[in-house]
Amino acid sequence: DAGITQSPRHKVTETGTPVTLRCHQTENHRYMYWYRQDPGHGLRLIHYSYGVKDTDKGEVSDGYSVSRSKTEDFLLTLESATSSQTSVYFCAIGRRGDTQYFGPGTRLTVL
Amino acid sequence: TQLLEQSPQFLSIQEGENLTVYCNSSSVFSSLQWYRQEPGEGPVLLVTVVTGGEVKKLKRLTFQFGDARKDSSLHITAAQPGDTGLYLCAGPETSGSRLTFGEGTQLTVNP
Repeated sequence: DAGITQSPRHKVTETGTPVTLRCHQTENHRYMYWYRQDPGHGLRLIHYSYGVKDTDKGEVSDGYSVSRSKTEDFLLTLESATSSQTSVYFCAIGRRGDTQYFGPGTRLTVL
Repeated sequence: TQLLEQSPQFLSIQEGENLTVYCNSSSVFSSLQWYRQEPGEGPVLLVTVVTGGEVKKLKRLTFQFGDARKDSSLHITAAQPGDTGLYLCAGPETSGSRLTFGEGTQLTVNP
């Protein structure tokens, strides 16, 4: 296993509430990624980080923000959750352009 | 934007049958990766193909990278129920920082 965990694993929340998902790695990888996975859309990149305090947007970044204050932690925040953000969220770590190792996922339901 | 198209989207077969899934693009990729995702888990890397025309075997799975490095295929011989899962192909974007993922092929092998 690549030493990557996500918390929480499941969360149910209400529309309009803030939500933070955490990704923690013990592999000291420089690159960390947040994806969402929905039926019919595959894996879509939300944001990624290429170092502490260095982040960039992916293809579906609207409504999401991220922070990386330490190499091992990458946080994904939904400032005001909407039903369209109901999804399974995966964190991944890796080296630039190389294999990515995925966490177990967080299933988020926004009511 | 470099896109990867996978086909078929869904495949349901009986144990013992052979199958091939495809990953195609109009763009050249420096390499392509194949991942398998089982229900409730994150994707796991199966193989990376790097050289045009390259063939790699992993037990009953055979992976091929097209000569022009625009496509790849995965062939499974004598499929087993344990092969059931979502098969994803992915390739590094030109920038090198991110991977482009296909939408996947959902394979079900019935006993």
